[in-house]
Amino acid sequence: EAGVTQSPTHLIKTRGQQATLRCSPISGHTSVYWYQQALGLGLQFLLWYDEGEERNRGNFPPRFSGRQFPNYSSELNVNALELEDSALYLCASSLGADTFGSGTRLTVV
Amino acid sequence: SQQGEEDPQALSIQEGENATMNCSYKTSINNLQWYRQNSGRGLVHLILIRSNEREKHSGRLRVTLDTSKKSSSLLITASRAADTASYFCATDARLSASYGKLTFGQGTILTVHP
Repeated sequence: EAGVTQSPTHLIKTRGQQATLRCSPISGHTSVYWYQQALGLGLQFLLWYDEGEERNRGNFPPRFSGRQFPNYSSELNVNALELEDSALYLCASSLGADTFGSGTRLTVV
Repeated sequence: SQQGEEDPQALSIQEGENATMNCSYKTSINNLQWYRQNSGRGLVHLILIRSNEREKHSGRLRVTLDTSKKSSSLLITASRAADTASYFCATDARLSASYGKLTFGQGTILTVHP
């Protein structure tokens, strides 16, 4: 059984651009959770999608948004990128067990 | 703000020694989990302990939970160089606003010297 997959592994963007990160949950899981791990700030909860709807949101500005598709995969979009958005973005498909992906490292220059 | 606070921030030991990391949290929880992260990569789930459990074992790992003190500890016995990583606790709080959300501590960086 495939685990949670994220793409791309690395992403380099220029300040002001938009970034799109993708996550596919474990087969049969309907939820996707997004977390940001920025240097010095630890792991912060971003968004939770379940059955195609946003269920909860962390303390992030509206330029962080996403969606979940009918196959339960998800996209995280970050608009108007700022330097401080540079971080490792992790997604998970449940809140326990080995359900985190390997992450996308976003670098904003 | 981070619910979980971990202590120590960094721990350096020799192979074969035991490593103990502590985590404190602020609100009532459903469960507490420990994760490992190698070199800024993905999180590896180690163990989950529910709020009605006091101790749990998994191989060389022993986790305790004291809900009265809102604290947990992770003990790694007979450490190995491969245990070198960052360790995080994460809580699943009993708050509607926290529904579906894990709150992570800042982590303990463990270095095991061969």
